[in-house]
Amino acid sequence: DVKVTQSSRYLVKRTGEKVFLECVQDMDHENMFWYRQDPGLGLRLIYFSYDVKMKEKGDIPEGYSVSREKKERFSLILESASTNQTSMYLCASRLHYEQYFGPGTRLTVT
Amino acid sequence: SQELEQSPQSLIVQEGKNLTINCTSSKTLYGLYWYKQKYGEGLIFLMMLQKGGEEKSHEKITAKLDEKKQQSSLHITASQPSHAGIYLCGADSSGGGADGLTFGKGTHLIIQP
Repeated sequence: DVKVTQSSRYLVKRTGEKVFLECVQDMDHENMFWYRQDPGLGLRLIYFSYDVKMKEKGDIPEGYSVSREKKERFSLILESASTNQTSMYLCASRLHYEQYFGPGTRLTVT
Repeated sequence: SQELEQSPQSLIVQEGKNLTINCTSSKTLYGLYWYKQKYGEGLIFLMMLQKGGEEKSHEKITAKLDEKKQQSSLHITASQPSHAGIYLCGADSSGGGADGLTFGKGTHLIIQP
C-alpha cells in the first residue's frame, strides 16, 4: 500500500513564526503536491514538484515556499506565519494518474 | 482557469436509499477524479474517468462522465453509514494530472439510520 505521511496532525503556531510542514511518501513517486483546504473554498493547490529540486507554483503560492531535497520528502514552508494561513494542509504524491493523499495537518496560527 | 461546481452542497439520506452527486466543469475535462474524505482526514481515491460516456463502478458506487466530458455524476446505491463523508470531484487540466488537480467544493453526505 502507498503511504503518504505528514509530520503532524495538529499544529499551533504564533504569528510571525517560521513553520515547516513535512510530507514523506514511500513509493518513489516523482510528483508531489501541497494543497490547503478551507470551508467554502475547497482544496486549492499551493505548490507542486515534478522531481527532486524542482518546484512549480500552484494557484495560491503567496506566503509559502517549498523544498524537495530528496525524492520522498516534500516540505512546505511558511516563512512568517499569519492568521490567514490557519487551514488544513494536505500533501499528495502521484505516480500515474491517481494522487495519494496524506492524513492532513490542521495548522492554527494565533 | 477551470472551475468545478458540485451539487448538492449537502445531502441527508436515509440508510438504504439511493443518491446522486453531480459535478459540472466550466471546461472540457481531460480527466475527472472522485475522492471521498472522512471529516478531518485525508482524501481517499474512488475513481477516475477519462473518456466521454465512460462509466465505472466500485462496490455500490458508480461514476459516469457525459459524452461532452463536462459533467460527471456519482451514484450510490442502497446507502450505508460507511458512505457518510465529503465527496469531492477533481479535474485534471494538463492531461496527466502532473500539474495537480482542481477540486470542487465538495458534497457533504449524511446517512440517517
